[in-house]
Amino acid sequence: TQLLEQSPQFLSIQEGENLTVYCNSSSVFSSLQWYRQEPGEGPVLLVTVVTGGEVKKLKRLTFQFGDARKDSSLHITAAQPGDTGLYLCAFPFNKFYFGSGTKLNVKP
Amino acid sequence: SAVISQKPSRDICQRGTSLTIQCQVDSQVTMMFWYRQQPGQSLTLIATANQGSEATYESGFVIDKFPISRPNLTFSTLTVSNMSPEDSSIYLCSVELTGKGQPQHFGDGTRLSIL
Repeated sequence: TQLLEQSPQFLSIQEGENLTVYCNSSSVFSSLQWYRQEPGEGPVLLVTVVTGGEVKKLKRLTFQFGDARKDSSLHITAAQPGDTGLYLCAFPFNKFYFGSGTKLNVKP
Repeated sequence: SAVISQKPSRDICQRGTSLTIQCQVDSQVTMMFWYRQQPGQSLTLIATANQGSEATYESGFVIDKFPISRPNLTFSTLTVSNMSPEDSSIYLCSVELTGKGQPQHFGDGTRLSIL
């Protein structure tokens, strides 16, 4: 059983489309992190959200932490091929718990 | 941040053999982690390696199969022993720089294929 469930598992869209990735749990978290992993590389941190209801923006990426701190979402506006990769949410505790992952493919 | 060098980047091995993966960090870190990842899937933690103590293994992973060394604060190795095709995977090391809640920094991984 995954502590952090992500949906969708796979997403293939055309360049210019918008998309949202969800990270859900029944547990409450003090913070959540989002990583992106490109093929042949390790995951790289995109953002950390800490406060319930918090919204953070990173260019075309918008991250939101749920009010109850049990879920988070990542919204990408006008997706580009460079956004292609595996998106992972993660909960840092004594060790890291990673979500089940969302594989995004943006076609030109 | 930290720069993590992982070697080899990929290898193809015969079943029954063992391979040691190296992870070098450009700064001293307390906690290093080893993960396994199937392509396109999430990461599964194998063990946590702290300098000066035995590695802590997650459920489903044992020291005889995945011995880990952590001789100093900048280096660690993971050995995949007596390999079988089921061990074909990507192996990643990561470090946590300071304290809880800090991001993890990853190496680029070792893509291992067992014939």
